[in-house]
Amino acid sequence: SAVISQKPSRDICQRGTSLTIQCQVDSQVTMMFWYRQQPGQSLTLIATANQGSEATYESGFVIDKFPISRPNLTFSTLTVSNMSPEDSSIYLCSVGQGNEQFFGPGTRLTVL
Amino acid sequence: AQSVTQPDIHITVSEGASLELRCNYSYGATPYLFWYVQSPGQGLQLLLKYFSGDTLVQGIKGFEAEFKRSQSSFNLRKPSVHWSDAAEYFCAVGEGAGSYQLTFGKGTKLSVIP
Repeated sequence: SAVISQKPSRDICQRGTSLTIQCQVDSQVTMMFWYRQQPGQSLTLIATANQGSEATYESGFVIDKFPISRPNLTFSTLTVSNMSPEDSSIYLCSVGQGNEQFFGPGTRLTVL
Repeated sequence: AQSVTQPDIHITVSEGASLELRCNYSYGATPYLFWYVQSPGQGLQLLLKYFSGDTLVQGIKGFEAEFKRSQSSFNLRKPSVHWSDAAEYFCAVGEGAGSYQLTFGKGTKLSVIP
């Protein structure tokens, strides 16, 4: 199974600023995903990030707010732009391998 | 569209007691079903999955789940709960082979009393 790390593990940010979250995988994977987990809620898929193509965003999420990079098969970044307190969440990346998804430990973001 | 319902938001059990967490899904075809566990400050760990075949599946940490098509359910069970099982549990349904699209339930938080 893939081992996934995320940086930072947590951050406290000011309203109006941006934060870039990094996701590193220990093996090459085609499909990577970014999820948001709002307080007390389940996981919601933000976008699918495949290497060599533009990220595909789910309904309610736009590239201007959540730009994603996928420069190679082991790395991706998600930026949360122009943050507001409503963006306070845990952001998780995951990868698809076989018929499963493996998840990173998450980045806990608090926006003041 | 597929959906997952976990009716219990929070369950408290005594250590050593049995556990059943409920999950109901809505999906037009044969579903791919998953249970994940999220410990405080941790990511999600896959406990078990069902794709086809035997409807009773065994997972890690002594957990099992039974797929019941007639009830659209995939309940998670453990015969004897340990204090370390305290965590949040998520049921998810996938679209099928080759697709990684998952829809998650809202989760059930498990507390364990010593």
